[in-house]
Amino acid sequence: KQEVTQIPAALSVPEGENLVLNCSFTDSAIYNLQWFRQDPGKGLTSLLLIQSSQREQTSGRLNASLDKSSGRSTLYIAASQPGDSATYLCAVVTTDSWGKFQFGAGTQVVVTP
Amino acid sequence: DTEVTQTPKHLVMGMTNKKSLKCEQHMGHRAMYWYKQKAKKPPELMFVYSYEKLSINESVPSRFSPECPNSSLLNLHLHALQPEDSALYLCASSPVGDNEKLFFGSGTQLSVL
Repeated sequence: KQEVTQIPAALSVPEGENLVLNCSFTDSAIYNLQWFRQDPGKGLTSLLLIQSSQREQTSGRLNASLDKSSGRSTLYIAASQPGDSATYLCAVVTTDSWGKFQFGAGTQVVVTP
Repeated sequence: DTEVTQTPKHLVMGMTNKKSLKCEQHMGHRAMYWYKQKAKKPPELMFVYSYEKLSINESVPSRFSPECPNSSLLNLHLHALQPEDSALYLCASSPVGDNEKLFFGSGTQLSVL
């Protein structure tokens, strides 16, 4: 069974610092890995999707890398802003479990002004 | 239109009530999902519909009854719920394929008294 872990569970950084969020998974037979942002009491907003054949994806200040062989993905957020404060979750779907996105528990980020 | 719309946003119900949660998307996605999320926990998959047919049921109690009347709508009928069913209920949609990106609604915050 696929297990997804996100460390650390919480992170606090001063504004302007770069954020590095980690996601690890146990089964490397994945279709893709997706990063989400969630604000308190709200739904999830998709940030980036990395297909299994890709090594990284970029969107603005966000960059996500994928290393399937080691079962790891990293989300980098450059020059953090207070508006980046949220919980960030990663999710993977394995090739034998279509539709069953397996989520990590998330990293709660606070960016202080 | 890249939105998934959920109604109502908040719902309070007694244990003997019957209520329904509604979800709508107009992105042409043929997969639709119900997730349950408790505070500070990751979303848990409940049901997946593919081409309007139930394809995944994660052993959810029968007091939760999903319905997909057409390709744009997804309902979750609730009956005789327990206080422990209080949670944020999230609807999501995606294309059907190997690299589907999940789009979430903002959720219904349900309280069972």
